[in-house]
Amino acid sequence: DVKVTQSSRYLVKRTGEKVFLECVQDMDHENMFWYRQDPGLGLRLIYFSYDVKMKEKGDIPEGYSVSREKKERFSLILESASTNQTSMYLCASSPSGQGGDSPLHFGNGTRLTVT
Amino acid sequence: ILNVEQSPQSLHVQEGDSTNFTCSFPSSNFYALHWYRWETAKSPEALFVMTLNGDEKKKGRISATLNTKEGYSYLYIKGSQPEDSATYLCALSTNAGKSTFGDGTTLTVKP
Repeated sequence: DVKVTQSSRYLVKRTGEKVFLECVQDMDHENMFWYRQDPGLGLRLIYFSYDVKMKEKGDIPEGYSVSREKKERFSLILESASTNQTSMYLCASSPSGQGGDSPLHFGNGTRLTVT
Repeated sequence: ILNVEQSPQSLHVQEGDSTNFTCSFPSSNFYALHWYRWETAKSPEALFVMTLNGDEKKKGRISATLNTKEGYSYLYIKGSQPEDSATYLCALSTNAGKSTFGDGTTLTVKP
């Protein structure tokens, strides 16, 4: 089974701090994604990556950046955390080469609170 | 941006009831439609993927249909059980694998 591991389940940070959310997958997937989930809003795509050192903006990239130095690891960075970034963050991965019919494999999520 | 709407937002049923919910989309400009189940304190897990108009998929008591011409997919649960309580997510994906999600339907099954 694919395993997607997010480094922290719960995280509390102060406004203005730089925050790193780490995600590692163990199935050699090319595609990796970061979503946030807020009540009543569903999952919204922040950034995604189809390959090492490659990144593309999703629907809500403002205030975030990402890093993909190795195929298995995709990091989400909040350069200067703000209270409106309090949310549940989900990492996901999928294989490429099979079109869009490959389902996403999700991590357990990181619930970030910015105070 | 693909537009995905799910209804109802939440649903409460009794154990044994059958239920269904809807995923609708104004445009069929996507590669595949996915259904996921998201239980509390767990990660979302894939239920079905459908790509063709008229597709029907079934897994135990849960089934799904896709109608791209009229712009909807239905998810059916026959004889709901408390363990079916979860949020059910619909997502449309491009051929490159980028997915856009609906807001989900939260199902609560009372024993």
